Amino acid sequence: QVQLQESGPGLVKPSETLSLTCAVSSYSISSGFFWGCIRQPPGRGLEWIGSMSQSGRSYYNPSLKSRVTISVDTPKNQFSLKLSSVTAADAAVYYCVRHRIAAGGSPYDAFDIWGQGTMVTVSS
Amino acid sequence: QSVLTQAPSASGTPGQRVTISCSGGSSNIGRNTVNWYQQLPGAAPELLIYNNNQRPSGVPDRFSGSKSGTSASLAISGLQSEDEADYYCATWDDNLNGYVVFGGGTKVTVL
Repeated sequence: QVQLQESGPGLVKPSETLSLTCAVSSYSISSGFFWGCIRQPPGRGLEWIGSMSQSGRSYYNPSLKSRVTISVDTPKNQFSLKLSSVTAADAAVYYCVRHRIAAGGSPYDAFDIWGQGTMVTVSS
Repeated sequence: QSVLTQAPSASGTPGQRVTISCSGGSSNIGRNTVNWYQQLPGAAPELLIYNNNQRPSGVPDRFSGSKSGTSASLAISGLQSEDEADYYCATWDDNLNGYVVFGGGTKVTVL
């Protein structure tokens, strides 16, 4: 079955850039879907960060858009998140997700596959 | 403050029916389909309902979803102890060039 695995440093210093890589197994990214990231601060709810397709089409959360870059690497079958200028408010569990587009053209149908998540702490 | 509004908690005894509501507006639930995600303690969320009322393969039929106007609901019939989890609604919001919005989540406790 399709699996997503997050990797990245668990600790990032304030003002630096958080980098996260999501490896996809048992499915070729180039075959379709969007690929995205969602975060969850400790004890709080879910926040969508953004998503990108293998063709480069992207959607981002307006509240984070100025600091976020998502890129897709089809040869490595993985995608990556970069979040710049982090603060303590960016500390969270970060999830990689497969983002399904609706058949009728709506940009969002469901996040049907989730990674296990990785905790990122922001501290000097 | 979440764009979609959910009650923070709900509870029921085994076998009971529990309903969770998700309230939005004309730019989100009013125009787009709603999903529900279940997050068991210590685990990643999983898709529970998509397209308002469709269950992915493997989701028990005691879970059902519905949508009316700018609100959606998730019902759990025949509540079981393993249903104790956090439940989140989500949809697309057409404002600001469009983005995915989540509810704040409802923790369901099985008494």
